[in-house]
Amino acid sequence: GAGVSQSPSNKVTEKGKDVELRCDPISGHTALYWYRQRLGQGLEFLIYFQGNSAPDKSGLPSDRFSAERTGESVSTLTIQRTQQEDSAVYLCASSWTGASNQPQHFGDGTRLSIL
Amino acid sequence: DQQVKQNSPSLSVQEGRISILNCDYTNSMFDYFLWYKKYPAEGPTFLISISSIKDKNEDGRFTVFLNKSAKHLSLHIVPSQPGDSAVYFCAASAYDKIIFGKGTRLHILP
Repeated sequence: GAGVSQSPSNKVTEKGKDVELRCDPISGHTALYWYRQRLGQGLEFLIYFQGNSAPDKSGLPSDRFSAERTGESVSTLTIQRTQQEDSAVYLCASSWTGASNQPQHFGDGTRLSIL
Repeated sequence: DQQVKQNSPSLSVQEGRISILNCDYTNSMFDYFLWYKKYPAEGPTFLISISSIKDKNEDGRFTVFLNKSAKHLSLHIVPSQPGDSAVYFCAASAYDKIIFGKGTRLHILP
């Protein structure tokens, strides 16, 4: 079956522009996560969706960052007024229920470069 | 405040020998630990995990050891193969929260 799909795979944009990143999780997975990986750094948690519960937004670095998820399907991560420090690989992952013993399945990420 | 630490940014091991990757954590509430492997330009893939009620889990060439009193876990790969060259992330979870370490880049030398 299909894995987690992210688009675009690469995005180059000018500072100050808005960007929208998309994630298609594995069908049936109710939990969806967004992470950011800056160069040479680990995975930084951004936001977590679980079913119809209110999302855990505790990792979003500023109010320029927001994310939506439609039901238990597609999610979009939006970064407004991009800054150079937003340059990173943005990874999406999904799992069946979000329980701690369930491995997350990752997409290949979107590499975002802010000029 | 890093709750999950991988203190070795990189490690080089001869092909055929044992690779040992280490991870330390600070939060005693973590109840599950996972290792992920990541190749360049790809997302991390799940490798092996261990529950906090166990001290060892083995899957083929991969074994994870957990020392709860020391808040330390390690991943052993034996024998190491060229395809094992990748970045390895340690992760710890509690409830629905998972924390990743910064990763260790493993180079398998011919």
